[in-house]
Amino acid sequence: GQQVMQIPQYQHVQEGEDFTTYCNSSTTLSNIQWYKQRPGGHPVFLIQLVKSGEVKKQKRLTFQFGEAKKNSSLHITATQTTDVGTYFCAGPMYSGGGADGLTFGKGTHLIIQP
Amino acid sequence: DSGVTQTPKHLITATGQRVTLRCSPRSGDLSVYWYQQSLDQGLQFLIQYYNGEERAKGNILERFSAQQFPDLHSELNLSSLELGDSALYFCASSVGLAGGPNTGELFFGEGSRLTVL
Repeated sequence: GQQVMQIPQYQHVQEGEDFTTYCNSSTTLSNIQWYKQRPGGHPVFLIQLVKSGEVKKQKRLTFQFGEAKKNSSLHITATQTTDVGTYFCAGPMYSGGGADGLTFGKGTHLIIQP
Repeated sequence: DSGVTQTPKHLITATGQRVTLRCSPRSGDLSVYWYQQSLDQGLQFLIQYYNGEERAKGNILERFSAQQFPDLHSELNLSSLELGDSALYFCASSVGLAGGPNTGELFFGEGSRLTVL
């Protein structure tokens, strides 16, 4: 079945440093979503990318979807303590009837040292 | 508040027992998904329902079952519990079948934390 791999699993940064997490799929994705889970919380949707080569920005967060639509990245500029959490990418799963739900990567835990 | 309600929030039980986790989706959402999150693990997809019908199955054990009722709430039944079943179980909902290019995001509940002793 479809797999979505994410690296790194953990990332320690000093506050103010940049952070990037990468997501790779074994198959071409029609779209990819990103979620953030704060410690003790539940995943919250950040963004969805659909087009090949698409780049979207949300303040200090930049999301990219690869040209081949098999990889994606999330980059955070000048991290802040509020960025702490686990970032997941998620791609659609497909059955005989079409897209059914999302398969999530294992996530990247962002740890920020003041 | 995502609008997705899960009960109970916490549950402690013993091995061999059976528990039921309940989920009420956001108003208007037809799809319900169940995910399992163990320590340092990602979100493992268990099962999905759309408008009362099972739509997709993931790595759901035979000891686990689920259903979606006519009012669209869903229940996840876990039986013959083992220590390894201890995890956070999330329910999520979406308007349509998430994963398609125009179907938007999943809205997650706060989860039910199951501890099996």
